[in-house]
Amino acid sequence: DIQMTQTPSTISASVGDRVTISCRASQSIRVWLAWYQQKPGEVPSLLIYKASTLETGVPSRFSGSGSGTEFTLTINSLQPDDFATYYCQQYSSYSTWTFGQGTKVEI
Amino acid sequence: QVQLLQSGPEVKKPGASVKVSCTASGYTFSAFYIHWVRQAPGQGLEWVGRINADTGDTNYAQQFQGRVSMTRDTSITTVYMELSGLRSDDTARYFCAKPHIVLRDWGQGTLITVSS
Repeated sequence: DIQMTQTPSTISASVGDRVTISCRASQSIRVWLAWYQQKPGEVPSLLIYKASTLETGVPSRFSGSGSGTEFTLTINSLQPDDFATYYCQQYSSYSTWTFGQGTKVEI
Repeated sequence: QVQLLQSGPEVKKPGASVKVSCTASGYTFSAFYIHWVRQAPGQGLEWVGRINADTGDTNYAQQFQGRVSMTRDTSITTVYMELSGLRSDDTARYFCAKPHIVLRDWGQGTLITVSS
């Protein structure tokens, strides 16, 4: 199975900050990477797919980049609603998908 | 609209099996896979596997091979996930989710607690 390594595990940030989360795949997944946001007690919510395509309705302060094995989620001008945990997930493998370990963005 | 309704919470003893259901509505059931994802308390998301709702073909994460089985009943648009040989570290909320490229629609989750 493809392994996904997300860093850092925790980010301490303030409203207005720019936040960057990294995700590394154990082998090339081309652009088949998604990012999800999860708040406590809620199901995950899709932010980005195909590495950089913003899901409909997601604010433009979220952006994704990367290809191959290195990917980044950037949140520009962090808002109070953005304090949550973020997960990358690969869907390159025909048969198995994998999530990263998650990054908690906290105040 | 897409709805995925899961069965209720379960408490099981170590070594037992559990079967969780996920009833789908609001779309053509056989046109999509259903995936299962779990989340232990305070932990991250872990992909368990998926089932092709049309053919019944399955794919499982390596760490669950031999312990998990996914099936479906197309007549009632329901998918099942059975996990056997339960251990305390299987205590988690188990979600079913429907992909459209990636996972966009999720069930509410089913809490499985494994405790002696």
